[in-house]
Amino acid sequence: AQSVAQPEDQVNVAEGNPLTVKCTYSVSGNPYLFWYVQYPNRGLQFLLKYITGDNLVKGSYGFEAEFNKSQTSFHLKKPSALVSDSALYFCAVRGPSYYGNNRLAFGKGNQVVVIP
Amino acid sequence: NAGVMQNPRHLVRRRGQEARLRCSPMKGHSHVYWYRQLPEEGLKFMVYLQKENIIDESGMPKERFSAEFPKEGPSILRIQQVVRGDSAAYFCASSPPWGTSTDTQYFGPGTRLTVL
Repeated sequence: AQSVAQPEDQVNVAEGNPLTVKCTYSVSGNPYLFWYVQYPNRGLQFLLKYITGDNLVKGSYGFEAEFNKSQTSFHLKKPSALVSDSALYFCAVRGPSYYGNNRLAFGKGNQVVVIP
Repeated sequence: NAGVMQNPRHLVRRRGQEARLRCSPMKGHSHVYWYRQLPEEGLKFMVYLQKENIIDESGMPKERFSAEFPKEGPSILRIQQVVRGDSAAYFCASSPPWGTSTDTQYFGPGTRLTVL
């Protein structure tokens, strides 16, 4: 079974400081990893994904994430946080690609609060 | 390009009534997924469909829930005889046909179901 852990309920960071949102995963085989962001009463917006290749993945709005196979982690990072980054962030994983195996397992989410 | 569309955005039902949630995938997408988000929790996979075909329904409750994606028209998630525990946000996602970039799912704005 595939699963994701996002250990912190809320991440507080001052505007302009680096932002890190942690994610560890468990899956059989090579993982497909995703980050999504959810603003209040909205759907999930895709930020970035790791499938294969370079361990550092760059995504939308200045976000990036680093895949670490030995630590089974996929932490989301942004060098300088903005107040508008305040939202709920979800990490998701699925297993190797084969027909029918497209189900995503989500973490419970991290609320990010960027303080002006 | 229109994104994933869901309607209604808000739905109120009394216990015992039926709820019908609709999802129109992004243009060119033939895979549809339904997820449920309970308060204070992450998204839980329910079902994965292609046109006229259920691919994976391992997350669907055994009773009262059904889903379809007909040849023409939107995907429908149907909940019969709703109970208060069905109150949640229901998100639909879509992805391109198998053989293209099926790994990224794009989400709609969700339907918030309230059962009185």
